Amino acid sequence: QKEVEQNSGPLSVPEGAIASLNCTYSDRGSQSFFWYRQYSGKSPELIMSIYSNGDKEDGRFTAQLNKASQYVSLLIRDSQPSDSATYLCAARSGGYQKVTFGTGTKLQVIP
Amino acid sequence: KAGVTQTPRYLIKTRGQQVTLSCSPISGHRSVSWYQQTPGQGLQFLFEYFSETQRNKGNFPGRFSGRQFSNSRSEMNVSTLELGDSALYLCAGRISPTEDTQYFGPGTRLTVL
Repeated sequence: QKEVEQNSGPLSVPEGAIASLNCTYSDRGSQSFFWYRQYSGKSPELIMSIYSNGDKEDGRFTAQLNKASQYVSLLIRDSQPSDSATYLCAARSGGYQKVTFGTGTKLQVIP
Repeated sequence: KAGVTQTPRYLIKTRGQQVTLSCSPISGHRSVSWYQQTPGQGLQFLFEYFSETQRNKGNFPGRFSGRQFSNSRSEMNVSTLELGDSALYLCAGRISPTEDTQYFGPGTRLTVL
């Protein structure tokens, strides 16, 4: 069983719409959660991190965490074609624990 | 500020050979993690080094090994290559293992024939 699960997609949304990306995790000890964006042929880059239940907003991005449901999501408002990429969800238990990644969701924003 | 560098960027090897990949993190970043990325399995953690010591290890066979030097540069070695080792190998550096933000290098694309 994968420790961090994501729907592989592709998720297609029209330009200007809200893209909703979801992720579940199995380790209840997970304390830190991350969203990375990876463009085709490039390496992942961190776009959001979240540590406590609720929402965290950064520009057009909002990360949501629900530890009771072991669920993390990323909302992208006003989606742009430049947002087309694979989004990786990741979790870590804390301290010196490794970061575990999901397999990623491919997002396509249609102009 | 120079980013994370990985060499070589591309590598073609045959089964049974061994390979060594190199990673230099951003100056001041003393922790280096290695990941294998494949289309089916995604990003899988190999190991992490900090202060020249392996701090964490993923579920990979002993053919995969690594080390870190005093200047924080890290190398990863894969012996007796198998076809399934074909992947993108990414390293990521951060200031310390407790720091959340890690910076990935461009990766080394390994093809095993």
